[in-house]
Amino acid sequence: QVQLVQSGVEVTKPGASVKVSCKASGYTLTSYHMHWVRQAPGQGLEWMGLISPSGIIIINAQKFQGRVTVTRDTSAGTVYMELSSLRPEDTAMYYCTREAIVLKNFDFWGQGTLVTVSS
Amino acid sequence: QSALTQPRSVSGSPGQSVTISCTGTSSDVGGYNYVSWYQQHPGKGPKLMIFDVSKRPSGVPDRFSGSKSGNTASLTISGLQAEDEADYYCCSYAGSNTHYVFGTGTEVTVL
Repeated sequence: QVQLVQSGVEVTKPGASVKVSCKASGYTLTSYHMHWVRQAPGQGLEWMGLISPSGIIIINAQKFQGRVTVTRDTSAGTVYMELSSLRPEDTAMYYCTREAIVLKNFDFWGQGTLVTVSS
Repeated sequence: QSALTQPRSVSGSPGQSVTISCTGTSSDVGGYNYVSWYQQHPGKGPKLMIFDVSKRPSGVPDRFSGSKSGNTASLTISGLQAEDEADYYCCSYAGSNTHYVFGTGTEVTVL
């Protein structure tokens, strides 16, 4: 069965970077788009970016202005999202989510990784 | 790109129907038939309930239905049940520049 398992809680300081991992199993990682979505406490969902099956990376530039990097280790079946120049308002739950083969919707989600940014 | 607009909350008694609206623009909801809906229970990740405006994934009860008119999409829950109490988010594809935009979220309360 399809599973997306994310890395654990992160507590970090303003100005630092954080790297969250998402290990996929039950399907071929390079056959699907993988997206990152975040949710600030008590707030809604926000799309961050994606990596395509061919490795093309697209980021929500309007919101994240070059602070987000998405990478993939196909041998490890893992996708990574790194967010730099962290601010307190980056405190959120970060989710990886697979884009369905039918496209343009998200059929499986990771359990989420809580990132707290505090001095 | 602004978030899609949803009502903050809706409520209904068991067995009743509730409808959640999701209003965007011609650049997102109105421009593509790629609206999806997600259910999120407290402390849990989102779950896909509707895709391509009105299609249900396998395993989602048929009391969940979706539709769209112009720039507004809607999710209807018929025969409301206690387990439907959750937050619901719409999402629309918004083209190759913006890609995806989510709604503001709606809390559904079963009275």
